Amino acid sequence: ETGVTQSPTHLIKTRGQQVTLRCSSQSGHNTVSWYQQALGQGPQFIFQYYREEENGRGNFPPRFSGLQFPNYSSELNVNALELDDSALYLCASSLVALDSHNEQFFGPGTRLTVL
Amino acid sequence: AQSVTQPDIHITVSEGASLELRCNYSYGATPYLFWYVQSPGQGLQLLLKYFSGDTLVQGIKGFEAEFKRSQSSFNLRKPSVHWSDAAEYFCAVGLYDYKLSFGAGTTVTVRA
Repeated sequence: ETGVTQSPTHLIKTRGQQVTLRCSSQSGHNTVSWYQQALGQGPQFIFQYYREEENGRGNFPPRFSGLQFPNYSSELNVNALELDDSALYLCASSLVALDSHNEQFFGPGTRLTVL
Repeated sequence: AQSVTQPDIHITVSEGASLELRCNYSYGATPYLFWYVQSPGQGLQLLLKYFSGDTLVQGIKGFEAEFKRSQSSFNLRKPSVHWSDAAEYFCAVGLYDYKLSFGAGTTVTVRA
């Protein structure tokens, strides 16, 4: 069973650029959540995708957007990068089903540095 | 709005000694409660979770946590720490098991 994978591992961008981060869900999972973890902080919920639709969003501006594909993999897109976007971006997948409490499994993250 | 407080930024403990990490939360109802561990360069690993029922929860790696509704706390404990327990620990809460709110984390250092 393959766990949650993310690519790339590290990325350096400059202010104003756009970036796309990718996540492959654990096999059998249908839900993907994205979190931003700034240095020295806990992760902050960005949004979740379920059945290719956004299903809940945290306090992040619209320049943070996402996609979920039919194979349940996902992308996080960030436009007009700002210095404060520098962080570790974590993807987590889970299986959402009726009447079940489902653990989220996290990937190792993508470290984004904005210069 | 929900919030999670981990009062201890950094804890140093001797190998073999006991460990307790504190977590307090503010929430409109009893939320789902979690403890995660993060080693350098790794993602988050779930240690244990509480949804309902027995307020003492057993997790992996010998960890346990106790939910105290009256104190809005969910403290993590381990009776005897191993050097491999050195990591960062995060408490998290959520109305469901997604859209979690995390604390700022506690870094645990284990000395020989």
